[in-house]
Amino acid sequence: AQKVTQAQTEISVVEKEDVTLDCVYETRDTTYYLFWYKQPPSGELVFLIRRNSFDEQNEISGRYSWNFQKSTSSFNFTITASQVVDSAVYFCALKAQGGSEKLVFGKGTKLTVNP
Amino acid sequence: EADIYQTPRYLVIGTGKKITLECSQTMGHDKMYWYQQDPGMELHLIHYSYGVNSTEKGDLSSESTVSRIRTEHFPLTLESARPSHTSQYLCASSEGGRDIQYFGAGTRLSVL
Repeated sequence: AQKVTQAQTEISVVEKEDVTLDCVYETRDTTYYLFWYKQPPSGELVFLIRRNSFDEQNEISGRYSWNFQKSTSSFNFTITASQVVDSAVYFCALKAQGGSEKLVFGKGTKLTVNP
Repeated sequence: EADIYQTPRYLVIGTGKKITLECSQTMGHDKMYWYQQDPGMELHLIHYSYGVNSTEKGDLSSESTVSRIRTEHFPLTLESARPSHTSQYLCASSEGGRDIQYFGAGTRLSVL
């Protein structure tokens, strides 16, 4: 069975603070993909990143960075110098290679960045 | 940027009505999906399609049905809406092999 846990239900920070969103996953598959999506108040899900299980390199994109560690089954997401526009619900998701088309989502972390 | 469109964005309807939620994508993606999301909760897959004339049920049991007659169009139908169907419905599509699903803006359905 596959499972994604986002233990932080809500986080509130002040603008310009750094914030890390945690994601822990469970899967028996050796090949899988991990994703982060952003859901602003308007409701759509915006794709942020996809990482496959063989690529443990950390990735940085502007103020966003991702830390993938297979040893701890974690795929954490850090926003540096947060901005009010970063306020949204962030979802981590997992998909095993082949088989079911299902993306397994975590319950999401609601991030509020206050001015 | 993804080109996937859902209509209507908001729908309030009475119990027993038949409704169809529309989803269209202009990217030529073979795979399309419908997810249901209750407020503050995770998404659950209710239907997906590998291509024209292909439809499969997802993990979450749903009384809705889908059809895929054209590549770009994947409508979802509820024959008789009930208050338990109140939720947000999100449509997505993906290009075969890349596994990245691109989402529409969603339809917020309220059944009174």
